[in-house]
This record gives sequence, C-alpha cells and structure tokens, in this order.
Amino acid sequence: SQELEQSPQSLIVQEGKNLTINCTSSKTLYGLYWYKQKYGEGLIFLMMLQKGGEEKSHEKITAKLDEKKQQSSLHITASQPSHAGIYLCGADYSTDSWGKFQFGAGTQVVVTP
Amino acid sequence: DGGITQSPKYLFRKEGQNVTLSCEQNLNHDAMYWYRQDPGQGLRLIYYSQIVNDFQKGDIAEGYSVSREKKESFPLTVTSAQKNPTAFYLCASSRDSQETQYFGPGTRLLVL
Repeated sequence: SQELEQSPQSLIVQEGKNLTINCTSSKTLYGLYWYKQKYGEGLIFLMMLQKGGEEKSHEKITAKLDEKKQQSSLHITASQPSHAGIYLCGADYSTDSWGKFQFGAGTQVVVTP
Repeated sequence: DGGITQSPKYLFRKEGQNVTLSCEQNLNHDAMYWYRQDPGQGLRLIYYSQIVNDFQKGDIAEGYSVSREKKESFPLTVTSAQKNPTAFYLCASSRDSQETQYFGPGTRLLVL
C-alpha cells in the first residue's frame, strides 16, 4: 500500500482563489519535500520541511508540517496561471545514511481565468 | 550554469533492443538517482548511487542496469528484459543521500 497519500488527485481553481493540497504519511517521516512539475518536464524543488510544526513560505506558496510529522499541506494564495502544474510531495523516512524516499502520486492543479 | 541534463528528450525502442539514457550533472553532487514516472503512480526509484563506483537497486530495478564510473555521469540502460518500458524517466542528484534531490528534464521512452 502507498505510504504517502496526496489529496486531492486534481483540482480546478479560478484565478485569484486560494487552494490547498494535502500529503499524508502512514508513518513518521524525517523530511518532507514539495516539488512542482509541468507536464513532460522535470521536477522543480519548492520547499523542504523537517521539524514538527514547521512552516515555510515562498512568494504565494506556504507549506506546513504537522507536529507529529505525518501530514503536510501546501497552500497557494491568490492563484495565478503560473501556478498550474502537478505538485508532488516526497518523504524521507530514515535518519540513516540512505533514507527510503517515497513520492506521492501528485496533484494536478488547473487555474482557470 | 550548474544543473542536470538528460538526453535524449524522446527515445524509441524496438522489441528486443537495449537502450541507454544519459544523465549528467555538474553540481559536484555525490548522490544520483533514476526514477520512473507512470501516470497516476508518482515516481518510483529504479537505482541510486551514493558515490562513484557504487550503486544500489531501488524498488523496481528488474530489467534495468546502471553504471557510475564518473561522479558527474549516471547512465541508465533499459534492457530487453524490461517488458513494459514505456514511461517518463527522471534523473536526480543530491549533495549527499540526505540532502534535497534536484531533477533533470526527463526522457520519455516509447516502444515501437
């Protein structure tokens, strides 16, 4: 079964509206990464969260990690066409030299005029 | 300009043929990775390498092979044993295996 679940699978938002994507882990993670992907292209790194309760922002994108380090949310304020794409969360589960890195299935975001 | 390059962008494979996907990085990263992306399934790890001349199997290594003879290069060969090779292949690198992974632009492999 999938260790990392993303929701929703896809969403359509009107330009200027806010949106939230969730990423839930079945176990405590060491680090949580958010990436953005345009169809047919590579992943662009957005943010990394490591501490329980941590919150980071970049421009209009805010990511949070809950205290138990099992759930993260990505929030976009006042969405723009440039925010369209696929958002993926990735989780590192180990403090060893190699952590098991898992990716969620992704959330496709469409921004309409 | 530092970054990760993958070539070719599109690759066509005939039945029974081995093909090699290129991945090069000039970021001086020790760790490199190959992922496969299928629709609705996210990324799955094929192989990873933490250092030159060393690599380990990921979750779906069957039908694939890699080499890491140089720090900047991590080519992936899709062998004829891989029965369902059609996918988008992504290469990534990181300073070490616990640091953020940065991705190349990807190679789309199609079977003729």
